[in-house]
Amino acid sequence: DTGVSQDPRHKITKRGQNVTFRCDPISEHNRLYWYRQTLGQGPEFLTYFQNEAQLEKSRLLSDRFSAERPKGSFSTLEIQRTEQGDSAMYLCASSLKVGGVENEQFFGPGTRLTVL
Amino acid sequence: AQSVTQLDSQVPVFEEAPVELRCNYSSSVSVYLFWYVQYPNQGLQLLLKYLSGSTLVESINGFEAEFNKSQTSFHLRKPSVHISDTAEYFCVTLSDYKLSFGAGTTVTVRA
Repeated sequence: DTGVSQDPRHKITKRGQNVTFRCDPISEHNRLYWYRQTLGQGPEFLTYFQNEAQLEKSRLLSDRFSAERPKGSFSTLEIQRTEQGDSAMYLCASSLKVGGVENEQFFGPGTRLTVL
Repeated sequence: AQSVTQLDSQVPVFEEAPVELRCNYSSSVSVYLFWYVQYPNQGLQLLLKYLSGSTLVESINGFEAEFNKSQTSFHLRKPSVHISDTAEYFCVTLSDYKLSFGAGTTVTVRA
């Protein structure tokens, strides 16, 4: 399977605990994005990487959130001291940017986080 | 920043009937518009896209959307739906590198 994969698919945690999600993009893609989707809403942009560089973070990404892409391949999203409001589907996408051309973003299946 | 508004949150429809999902976008210098679909328990998939050129764009499974600049709309249509078209549909715009999603329209096809 050469699509975007995410792990775990589901995570249930207690308030105050830390959680970490992983995303493996399509192998040749240089851009990786994180989005968050809450119930009844469309996904919202959180952050993105070009290779290993994190180029933008949304205002939605509080100080408790941190994302990395250390070798320009897989990425991790960590949430520290989780709150009930963090409960959502966390989506990862990847794309290949060549020159000035933006190409299609391919999405993973998401990680559903439930904070009790 | 660009944004989109999906005018219907739920659209129930009978099998083989036509369906239209409405989407309006906020005007900007350059417009890139997409429809993404999310089938039950699956990830988001690109259905079709408008970048430039012909204002009518089609998908491989019979959907089409028309870019209408004067009405700032990008409505999605299918003349005859199948049970397998049951899904959530998102109208999306691209601004720089970021996708901005509408709230989504849930299409439920009944026999």
